[in-house]
Amino acid sequence: DGGITQSPKYLFRKEGQNVTLSCEQNLNHDAMYWYRQDPGQGLRLIYYSQIVNDFQKGDIAEGYSVSREKKESFPLTVTSAQKNPTAFYLCATKGQGETQYFGPGTRLLVL
Amino acid sequence: GEDVEQSLFLSVREGDSSVINCTYTDSSSTYLYWYKQEPGAGLQLLTYIFSNMDMKQDQRLTVLLNKKDKHLSLRIADTQTGDSAIYFCAEIDDYKLSFGAGTTVTVRA
Repeated sequence: DGGITQSPKYLFRKEGQNVTLSCEQNLNHDAMYWYRQDPGQGLRLIYYSQIVNDFQKGDIAEGYSVSREKKESFPLTVTSAQKNPTAFYLCATKGQGETQYFGPGTRLLVL
Repeated sequence: GEDVEQSLFLSVREGDSSVINCTYTDSSSTYLYWYKQEPGAGLQLLTYIFSNMDMKQDQRLTVLLNKKDKHLSLRIADTQTGDSAIYFCAEIDDYKLSFGAGTTVTVRA
């Protein structure tokens, strides 16, 4: 992590509620990513942004939304349309090279 | 199904070497990565190898790449209890990383 912060560490969602996960970076990286991790599986890409004010859907974007108004910030909203939101959510950034660096993660639980 | 495959579990005795294997499918991947995840934490970049290399060594870590067979391995020498974690192999696929399911390494005394 180092330079990438995610908050909160744990988040609880009630039925029908939208919740927003924060990802902030001070690495001056242009690209940012959101991945979802389920037990026993690799990470799957939700959304990514290669530059401010631009973002694209990943492999599992349904039920999620993002914004990229600032270079430092890439918040992820889990909407009520996401029927199985319980997972560990990881934010990553990428600078000039190809390597992605990950934040510490947010664990989302459904009440 | 996943494009990157790994064995799910590895048990190793402290002080022995660990070898974690991975197969991938995208022959155009420029970089291949190994990440480590400790319980409840994010992914920590361990090492990576450029696709025109066969081997890369970094202290206790040795990465071997066989492009013909699309096979990647990570060897950890003198495995310690702090090496107990999940290890992910990943290939770069244009704009995203494609991950294997992860290999859980357990180090026993």
